[in-house]
Amino acid sequence: AQKVTQAQTEISVVEKEDVTLDCVYETRDTTYYLFWYKQPPSGELVFLIRRNSFDEQNEISGRYSWNFQKSTSSFNFTITASQVVDSAVYFCALSEAGDYKLSFGAGTTVTVRA
Amino acid sequence: GAGVSQSPSNKVTEKGKDVELRCDPISGHTALYWYRQRLGQGLEFLIYFQGNSAPDKSGLPSDRFSAERTGESVSTLTIQRTQQEDSAVYLCASSLGVGESMNTEAFFGQGTRLTVV
Repeated sequence: AQKVTQAQTEISVVEKEDVTLDCVYETRDTTYYLFWYKQPPSGELVFLIRRNSFDEQNEISGRYSWNFQKSTSSFNFTITASQVVDSAVYFCALSEAGDYKLSFGAGTTVTVRA
Repeated sequence: GAGVSQSPSNKVTEKGKDVELRCDPISGHTALYWYRQRLGQGLEFLIYFQGNSAPDKSGLPSDRFSAERTGESVSTLTIQRTQQEDSAVYLCASSLGVGESMNTEAFFGQGTRLTVV
């Protein structure tokens, strides 16, 4: 069974603050993939990152960074120095090797106030 | 095309009518997915296509829902005898999804917002 939990429903920050989105997953497979997607008000999901279960190296892309910890089954996402354009719903998702479909968390709505 | 295209972008239909939602995936993407997103909720998997076949239809909520894909490109999601609970945004996605490229990132369309009145 797959399960992705995003415990934070909504987060509101002031511009330039850092914000961390939590994602905890459950899987029995040893090979799996984790994803983050951004859904701005326009509605289209934008791919942000894909990690496989064998690569625990943290990743940084501009103001975005991801912390993957298998020991706690977490794949957290941090936005540094947030901007108003970061306001969106962010989804964490999981797929197991050979099981193409993505299981999504419920999403975290981030609101960045000017 | 450059991205996944869905049509119509909005659809209002009367309860009991049939609707067809269309998805044009990214050229060359063999995998195609349909998801449903109810207001304020996450994405619910409906069906997956690999080429023209649908190895996993487990997410279709009832026999009123069906989907087909032709020519490894366009897919149509059909909802018969629509009910108010079918109101949602229906999202289509595509990915390379072949061999070693399984579990690559899926690219999503902007969705079709279906409202059943």
